[in-house]
Amino acid sequence: DQQVKQNSPSLSVQEGRISILNCDYTNSMFDYFLWYKKYPAEGPTFLISISSIKDKNEDGRFTVFLNKSAKHLSLHIVPSQPGDSAVYFCAASRSGSRLTFGEGTQLTVNP
Amino acid sequence: DTGVSQDPRHKITKRGQNVTFRCDPISEHNRLYWYRQTLGQGPEFLTYFQNEAQLEKSRLLSDRFSAERPKGSFSTLEIQRTEQGDSAMYLCASRQSGEQFFGPGTRLTVL
Repeated sequence: DQQVKQNSPSLSVQEGRISILNCDYTNSMFDYFLWYKKYPAEGPTFLISISSIKDKNEDGRFTVFLNKSAKHLSLHIVPSQPGDSAVYFCAASRSGSRLTFGEGTQLTVNP
Repeated sequence: DTGVSQDPRHKITKRGQNVTFRCDPISEHNRLYWYRQTLGQGPEFLTYFQNEAQLEKSRLLSDRFSAERPKGSFSTLEIQRTEQGDSAMYLCASRQSGEQFFGPGTRLTVL
């Protein structure tokens, strides 16, 4: 049972444009959501998070949106930079416990 | 460097051998997690410690796997009688509150 899904395995955007990565979840008990970025041969690096009591959180070029009724969250990166090219994982947890991850989306930002 | 560290970074072993991995969390973090990641998938939860107590284990953690966290500091993950299906990246993460911080992982290859 895949409780967190990222339906797009890959996304390609031009430098300077917006990147939108999407994530869907099924477990309504999840109350904390995170995005991680991962380069090959490295561990995931935390990017941004959002609590279920909010619908938006912004940190510099990164904004996460949460739509609880649709059980959907998205990560917006604007403007996108070539250094943003990596695999992005959506993760969810219940009461700060273990993380349940999606399959990841490979983002490629072209110069 | 005050991040999460893992040792070794790479391990190649023959089927049937035992292997042990070490994780040193961020010093003030009392929560420690182990995850496993296979190619094309997101990390999957294995087990969780709060201080020295192992509070949760995934069904993925068969009886060949054992984890310890003596004195609530570093943790070890041992795999006995390794199988080719154990080949994966083993990730350790720690947290105090909020997000989990990941180490660089140990890449295990079972021949």
